[in-house]
Amino acid sequence: DTAVSQTPKYLVTQMGNDKSIKCEQNLGHDTMYWYKQDSKKFLKIMFSYNNKELIINETVPNRFSPKSPDKAHLNLHINSLELGDSAVYFCASSHSAGQMYEQYFGPGTRLTVT
Amino acid sequence: GENVEQHPSTLSVQEGDSAVIKCTYSDSASNYFPWYKQELGKRPQLIIDIRSNVGEKKDQRIAVTLNKTAKHFSLHITETQPEDSAVYFCAASRSSASKIIFGSGTRLSIRP
Repeated sequence: DTAVSQTPKYLVTQMGNDKSIKCEQNLGHDTMYWYKQDSKKFLKIMFSYNNKELIINETVPNRFSPKSPDKAHLNLHINSLELGDSAVYFCASSHSAGQMYEQYFGPGTRLTVT
Repeated sequence: GENVEQHPSTLSVQEGDSAVIKCTYSDSASNYFPWYKQELGKRPQLIIDIRSNVGEKKDQRIAVTLNKTAKHFSLHITETQPEDSAVYFCAASRSSASKIIFGSGTRLSIRP
């Protein structure tokens, strides 16, 4: 059984387009995250939701908008895609917002903007 | 703000030898220190963690040590095997915080 799933796994698109990535977890966790991993492998947190409520919003351009319809889902919509948005985006979940729990990562979505 | 520094960025060791990766953290209130392993093309996965009330934790060939005074913690892998080749991330957080801070990663290669 897949604990944290993301779709799509690969996304190739042109500059200026709008795209969405979906994430779902079946672990019953309260907290979900979006991370961006660039070509140098650095993992940078973008957003975090706890029970559908936004609790972390790092310095991410307004073109990125997360949406959590329920605590099992956290989607990421990106407007007006730029070359610098090319990266692997990981969704993750954890038991709660208290940061002493394991983070379960999804398989990642490799976004390539041309 | 909070920061976690990780060294080295790349590490190559002979199969069977030991590997050590070191991290330092800036937030003295940090009390949870996990280590994640990311194999090529895969997701990061937790391999071991340590809480601030202990100085060392071991799980088979991997061990972590924590020096709270110096704000250092390290990952030790003994008897390295080819499947240990991966990128390893240290991280630090505190229970009252809303996020975990990751180090920049160490790419470990095991030479046959």
